[in-house]
Amino acid sequence: AQSVAQPEDQVKVAEGNPLTVKCTYSVSGNPYLFWYVQYPNRGLQFLLKYITGDNLVKGSYGFEAEFNKSQTSFHLKKPSALVSDSALYFCAVPRGGATNKLIFGTGTLLAVQP
Amino acid sequence: DTEVTQTPKHLVMGMTNKKSLKCEQHMGHRAMYWYKQKAKKPPELMFVYSYEKLSINESVPSRFSPECPNSSLLNLHLHALQPEDSALYLCASSQADGRQLGEKLFFGSGTQLSVL
Repeated sequence: AQSVAQPEDQVKVAEGNPLTVKCTYSVSGNPYLFWYVQYPNRGLQFLLKYITGDNLVKGSYGFEAEFNKSQTSFHLKKPSALVSDSALYFCAVPRGGATNKLIFGTGTLLAVQP
Repeated sequence: DTEVTQTPKHLVMGMTNKKSLKCEQHMGHRAMYWYKQKAKKPPELMFVYSYEKLSINESVPSRFSPECPNSSLLNLHLHALQPEDSALYLCASSQADGRQLGEKLFFGSGTQLSVL
């Protein structure tokens, strides 16, 4: 069965420092992996996705994610955090390879401190 | 227009009330979704419409009744809800029929529902 895990409920980082939000996956076949962000009182917004190709995927708002097959990880990264990056981040994988059954991780609350 | 619009933003209802949530998109997307999200939890899929036909019902109780009047509109009719149904209800859409690998979802801001 396809699944993703986010081992950290919360991540705190100082503004200007690099940030990492972790995600590990368990999939059969080629993985399709997504990151979404949810700002307070808002719906989710797509950040980036990995389908195939380069292991480093660039997305919206300066975020990038590194796909690592040997470690079955897809960590979200940003070189320099902003206070406005504070939000809830979800890693996701399609269940059965179909987008209409997107399985989300438990979420990681990122707090960027001024 | 790259937005999914949901109304109302907030809704308080009693357990005997009937109410409806509305979702609209004008991006020409062919699949529309309802998700339920409890506070600080991941969204849980409820229903998927593909080309205006219900394609997925994730064993949702019948007190939730979805409707897709046309390709731009999605409704969720609520009747005899329970307090545990209080949550953020999110609508989403995707460009193709929802079965294409790598499709991204566009979410609305949600309706915060409180059932008293």
